Amino acid sequence: NFMLTQPHSVSESPGKTVTISCTRSSGSIASNYVQWYQQRPGSAPTTVIYEDNQRPSGVPDRFSGSIDSSSNSASLTISGLKTEDEADYYCQSYDSSNRRVFGGGTKLTVL
Amino acid sequence: QVQLVQSGAEVKKPGASVKVSCKVSGYTLTELSMHWVRQAPGKGLEWMGGFDPEDGETIYAQKFQGRVTMTEDTSTDTAYMELSSLRSEDTAVYYCATDRGWFDPWGQGTLVTVSS
Repeated sequence: NFMLTQPHSVSESPGKTVTISCTRSSGSIASNYVQWYQQRPGSAPTTVIYEDNQRPSGVPDRFSGSIDSSSNSASLTISGLKTEDEADYYCQSYDSSNRRVFGGGTKLTVL
Repeated sequence: QVQLVQSGAEVKKPGASVKVSCKVSGYTLTELSMHWVRQAPGKGLEWMGGFDPEDGETIYAQKFQGRVTMTEDTSTDTAYMELSSLRSEDTAVYYCATDRGWFDPWGQGTLVTVSS
């Protein structure tokens, strides 16, 4: 099986842009869709990006997703940062037998 | 829209089993693919298993194989996750989540505490 590796934490100022990476350890990042979840303290996760770069209704277009085959990684980019974006973010994909794999999570601090 | 409401917090002794429920409303359970994810205190999300519609079977993470059972009662639109041989490391919040290719929505979570 493969692992998805995320930075433990990132921080940025309000109004700026931040990118969170998610690197797949083996197999192609492009072979299975990547999802991104936001989790605020004490709450269940919610989807901010699905199928690599799709935004659910209600998620602002400040959130965008992409994949990069050259680095075998997916990225979540949040532009125009707001204090309300401060949360943990998790990437997730599947293996060849449809078993789900989560990244370790990234704590975003907006200071 | 789908809503998931989970059962309340549980405290169990090591070696016991726990069964967490997830009640569906807005849709019938047969229209959905239910999965379970857990989160230990201060830790990340960990996928436990769920229904795979491609082959019509429930698949489990290798880590939990033999210790977890996921079932459904379609008469009450309730999904269940039972974890046996509990140990302290199983202390976590357990979430049910509907799989649409991505997990959405999620239940509110059920805290299971394993302590002697």
